Amino acid sequence: ETGVTQTPRHLVMGMTNKKSLKCEQHLGHNAMYWYKQSAKKPLELMFVYSLEERVENNSVPSRFSPECPNSSHLFLHLHTLQPEDSALYLCASSQELGSGANVLTFGAGSRLTVL
Amino acid sequence: GQNIDQPTEMTATEGAIVQINCTYQTSGFNGLFWYQQHAGEAPTFLSYNVLDGLEEKGRFSSFLSRSKGYSYLLLKELQMKDSASYLCAVLDSNYQLIWGAGTKLIIKP
Repeated sequence: ETGVTQTPRHLVMGMTNKKSLKCEQHLGHNAMYWYKQSAKKPLELMFVYSLEERVENNSVPSRFSPECPNSSHLFLHLHTLQPEDSALYLCASSQELGSGANVLTFGAGSRLTVL
Repeated sequence: GQNIDQPTEMTATEGAIVQINCTYQTSGFNGLFWYQQHAGEAPTFLSYNVLDGLEEKGRFSSFLSRSKGYSYLLLKELQMKDSASYLCAVLDSNYQLIWGAGTKLIIKP
């Protein structure tokens, strides 16, 4: 399998549940990202990992917890979410950080609904 | 603050030409990207401009004017499959990507 794969594609959870989103890339990229996409809003960068080390955490609530066990896998652990957290969560990867033509390759996203 | 503006929605006719504009105010500039996102799918890279001028790639072209903080994506010979959202993003001086909210393009037969 090539590209960036995200599972599950759809997730419905209650506010007290714990669930995880998974992202896998087979491109040999060194950087991985979590973005939140809400309708009619710009993409919001949540977390960035470079060579398995977290390099950015954009004031994201602690109910979102990322994990990057190796350069090919990225998780987003979800705990006691709020209804306003319902959105499309996109994973992306790129060859490296901090360069000009740093093209992102995105997964198709995990559509999260919090009841 | 940093800001990217693009129209929320545009409608065009199959076979026609459409221009999607993007204006930006950012802390520095290291390039501008356009991505295409079909409903329910991943955004995919279309173009990257870092120098002023027009870059052509088949039916799609992207233009940049750094002095005006302005870019456009030009789509020619529109096809129904071009119905999608088009995302503009600027790489600022810290190599952070600043995103616009996207332009939803509707193509009518």
